[in-house]
Amino acid sequence: GENVEQHPSTLSVQEGDSAVIKCTYSDSASNYFPWYKQELGKGPQLIIDIRSNVGEKKDQRIAVTLNKTAKHFSLHITETQPEDSAVYFCAASVGTSYDKVIFGPGTSLSVIP
Amino acid sequence: KAGVTQTPRYLIKTRGQQVTLSCSPISGHRSVSWYQQTPGQGLQFLFEYFSETQRNKGNFPGRFSGRQFSNSRSEMNVSTLELGDSALYLCASSLYGLAGGGETQYFGPGTRLLVL
Repeated sequence: GENVEQHPSTLSVQEGDSAVIKCTYSDSASNYFPWYKQELGKGPQLIIDIRSNVGEKKDQRIAVTLNKTAKHFSLHITETQPEDSAVYFCAASVGTSYDKVIFGPGTSLSVIP
Repeated sequence: KAGVTQTPRYLIKTRGQQVTLSCSPISGHRSVSWYQQTPGQGLQFLFEYFSETQRNKGNFPGRFSGRQFSNSRSEMNVSTLELGDSALYLCASSLYGLAGGGETQYFGPGTRLLVL
């Protein structure tokens, strides 16, 4: 089955700097890659997603890139702000049912003011 | 519009007891999924309900069960609780349960279960 690895597990950046989180997946048939942000005491929130027919997607300060050949995808956050501090999860999915969405272990991001 | 709500938010039980957790999805959403989140295993899919039918099930023992009502509200039940069942249980709703199908899945804040 699908396996998703995520690095780093913790990340500290200065406010205004960029943050990059990288994930790799094992199943080459995966075609959907969402990213979630989970703040303390809250459930995960979808922040951006990308499908396998797209190499890059951007939404304001957040961008995701996908390399299907290498089977890895990354989240880029520019001009980080303290409110970006949270745990970020990547995920990969084969097909369209939520039972096929496999989550990475998460990255705890701290943005230092 | 109101988000996904879960009750109770915190729960303490002892081994051998059973527990029922409740989830109210966003109005109009017909798909409700349940997840278990632990530090060791991360986010794991439990099951998904759509129009009162269990459509998908994760790799959890039969002690974990659920149901969905005609108004899309859902409950999950864990019988004969074990220490390892201590976790954050998350409920999520979406329109049709189509991951990557142009819809967004919204998570509730979760129910924190502690089994002593």
